[in-house]
Amino acid sequence: SQQGEEDPQALSIQEGENATMNCSYKTSINNLQWYRQNSGRGLVHLILIRSNEREKHSGRLRVTLDTSKKSSSLLITASRAADTASYFCATDAGTGFQKLVFGTGTRLLVSP
Amino acid sequence: DGGITQSPKYLFRKEGQNVTLSCEQNLNHDAMYWYRQDPGQGLRLIYYSQIVNDFQKGDIAEGYSVSREKKESFPLTVTSAQKNPTAFYLCASTLRVGLYNEQFFGPGTRLTVL
Repeated sequence: SQQGEEDPQALSIQEGENATMNCSYKTSINNLQWYRQNSGRGLVHLILIRSNEREKHSGRLRVTLDTSKKSSSLLITASRAADTASYFCATDAGTGFQKLVFGTGTRLLVSP
Repeated sequence: DGGITQSPKYLFRKEGQNVTLSCEQNLNHDAMYWYRQDPGQGLRLIYYSQIVNDFQKGDIAEGYSVSREKKESFPLTVTSAQKNPTAFYLCASTLRVGLYNEQFFGPGTRLTVL
């Protein structure tokens, strides 16, 4: 089952613009993670936010988490053509063994 | 170089044949996972293993089988019972201890049934 729904499904922007992706989930979580996937490749972990955190930064990435609304957002600032990829959120219920549930993903296209 | 390797990168199978996808890691991770990804979709969990000689079904285990005889290896067999096996298969691993661990992914195997 896929718990996360991501919005938008696809996003097309110009280099230098900011990109915002949203993720909604259904059940209580221990943490939420964002991953990136280049076409035809494996996933790469970007950032993890714990359920007791509201915001986290890593370089040009900013993640927010609102557990009351069961939603998260990923903001990429000053985007580059190399940011073109699919982005997935994944939730971990924290049941003692990690079992991530992935969202449907947002395809980001950054044009030069 | 530490990481996860998957082989082959591309695999073609005739209907009715079983095929085995390889996944090896040298990260000393206890937990390993197999996911299936269909075009434009997220990842769905097939099987996972917490430790050697132990594994559990994920959300879509029907038509698949696994083994975990060594810590480093978690091969996936796609059997002829899997009705729609054409997909991109991803293997991942993580530390078993702790609540805030990321998963590390292999490069994937694209399986096509002819």
